[in-house]
Amino acid sequence: DVKVTQSSRYLVKRTGEKVFLECVQDMDHENMFWYRQDPGLGLRLIYFSYDVKMKEKGDIPEGYSVSREKKERFSLILESASTNQTSMYLCASSSGQGVRGANVLTFGAGSRLTVL
Amino acid sequence: AQSVSQHNHHVILSEAASLELGCNYSYGGTVNLFWYVQYPGQHLQLLLKYFSGDPLVKGIKGFEAEFIKSKFSFNLRKPSVQWSDTAEYFCAVNDNNAGNMLTFGGGTRLMVKP
Repeated sequence: DVKVTQSSRYLVKRTGEKVFLECVQDMDHENMFWYRQDPGLGLRLIYFSYDVKMKEKGDIPEGYSVSREKKERFSLILESASTNQTSMYLCASSSGQGVRGANVLTFGAGSRLTVL
Repeated sequence: AQSVSQHNHHVILSEAASLELGCNYSYGGTVNLFWYVQYPGQHLQLLLKYFSGDPLVKGIKGFEAEFIKSKFSFNLRKPSVQWSDTAEYFCAVNDNNAGNMLTFGGGTRLMVKP
């Protein structure tokens, strides 16, 4: 019953390394999202995509980029990881059926990234 | 920009106690409101949602929430909590200026003592 799969549950990287976080959904959803989750700050939107090759900045896009070459896959890229990017990263998807459908998110298990 | 406040960061209750978690948002226009829950070791999942109509909405596992427009609030309630309700709860808001984007609150970590 896997719906949103994040490729890595735990990663440890060094400052300056390039980091790829992969997310795949099997629900044929149009919308995909990347959030970071930090204690006391809740979830903050990094980027989202409403279609293949389309992307929109969220609230905290600095230091991140994304790629959506196929409908089912949405990748988050940290070009040069820094220690303040140590966090839990959550991928989510939703259908494109209006705003209501778009806001009912299905989340992945999360990827906990530690940058040393 | 929309902001969402959850005033209680940590709540500890005994089983059978009543629960109310506060959620306030800043935008005064049309909103869609959500509560998401993350049980230990599990994915975030939708608990309940409000789009329109009856401001008292029912969710899974006996939870309900009431939308009070005049107070910009969407508080989550449960009359009698169980140990299995131990989780982190997130309020989220979408307003008609934000397209498909949700703004989440900081979360409330609930611990229910058996």
